[in-house]
Amino acid sequence: AQTVTQSQPEMSVQEAETVTLSCTYDTSESNYYLFWYKQPPSRQMILVIRQEAYKQQNATENRFSVNFQKAAKSFSLKISDSQLGDTAMYFCAFMSLYNQGGKLIFGQGTELSVKP
Amino acid sequence: DARVTQTPRDKVTEMGQEVTMRCQPILGHNTVFWYRQTMMQGLELLAYFRNRAPLDDSGMPKDRFSAEMPDATLATLKIQPSEPRDSAVYFCASAIGRDLYNEQFFGPGTRLTVL
Repeated sequence: AQTVTQSQPEMSVQEAETVTLSCTYDTSESNYYLFWYKQPPSRQMILVIRQEAYKQQNATENRFSVNFQKAAKSFSLKISDSQLGDTAMYFCAFMSLYNQGGKLIFGQGTELSVKP
Repeated sequence: DARVTQTPRDKVTEMGQEVTMRCQPILGHNTVFWYRQTMMQGLELLAYFRNRAPLDDSGMPKDRFSAEMPDATLATLKIQPSEPRDSAVYFCASAIGRDLYNEQFFGPGTRLTVL
């Protein structure tokens, strides 16, 4: 069974600085999808960024980028120029391509605080 | 601005009572997911549907939980009878099409407290 591990329960960063959130996963599959979701205090889950495992190029979305290391099964999220609105729980998630419905398997989350 | 809606937002009930949570997926989305979030277990998938047909409900306790889609605009999750261990936030999410890479849009969740 696939598992997702986020080893940093909490992190903090000063506004305008850069922070990296770690995520590792375990799978025997070669093709899959990876996601980062953000959950602010409002508890709404919001997709931040996604990556297809067969694409070597790291995904980027404005201030958010990933470092995808397939061999190491690592998928870290980098947030540049951190803003107060980035304060939230961040969840890394795995999706198998051999699952017909699109089941997301989530890590335990990292609580990020951006300090002024 | 299309979004997934869930009702109620918060629910407090007593052990043994029936609880029904409702979800309206984004119009045109044909895949609906139910997730549960607790401090101990984190986020876990309970069940999901495509074109109103259940694809997988293996994450759901069968003896007390049931999920249905009476029509394309409504998904329901029922717990009968409810127990204190069911206290959690229940999320509904919807997605369009068969492409697994398509974004799952989450609702605001229903926070259930069973006393």
